[in-house]
Amino acid sequence: QVQLQESGPGLVKPSETLSLTCNVSGPSISFYSWGWIRQPAEKGLEWIGRISSNGNSNYSPSLKSRVSMSLDTSNNQFSLKLTSVTAADTATYFCARINVHYSNGWPRETYFYMDVWGKGTTVTVSS
Amino acid sequence: DIQMTQSPSSLSASVGDRVTITCRASQSIRKYLNWYQMKPGKAPELLIYASSILQSGVPSRFTGSGFGTDFTLTINSLQPEDFATYYCQQSNTSPGTFGQGTKVEIQ
Repeated sequence: QVQLQESGPGLVKPSETLSLTCNVSGPSISFYSWGWIRQPAEKGLEWIGRISSNGNSNYSPSLKSRVSMSLDTSNNQFSLKLTSVTAADTATYFCARINVHYSNGWPRETYFYMDVWGKGTTVTVSS
Repeated sequence: DIQMTQSPSSLSASVGDRVTITCRASQSIRKYLNWYQMKPGKAPELLIYASSILQSGVPSRFTGSGFGTDFTLTINSLQPEDFATYYCQQSNTSPGTFGQGTKVEIQ
């Protein structure tokens, strides 16, 4: 059974870089794509981006200039870096596995969904 | 970005009630719609993907429907463990935007 666990500093200073890691217990990360999502307190969910098993990544346009993601297959984990943080980046950060469903028939549709999530880690940006 | 609008933002219901949550996309997303359940301190849980496909292990009282811009999540016979916040998410176009959430509370 796959489990995800986020880890990283709970406090980051403004203008510094937020770095989080998601450790995956179970199947190799080489078989799936992986995503990051965040939730500011009392607010909704925000999709940050995803990284595929071949290392290709796709980021939210609103964060693209500050975000990077990477895979560490030897340790079966993946990471998120967010540079130049401000108080607006204070949130609970979740990592998730992205799975895919292919429809029957033609044309074939490809549906992506996040089927396994970590419990989240809270990051506060403050001096 | 595609905007996702859920309604209502919150509702009160009793155990055994039937609850319906709606999600509207700002443009057609065909069937690229997922539903998640969130509880404080717990990992979010996938309920429905591709608008109507029930995730393995999710109780059959959860059903999803819709195509294009309008979608619904229905919980038949609400159970105590269903009191939570529910989010829709479109996966048609990056970024995969979420609705603002619907909090289901005990009446």
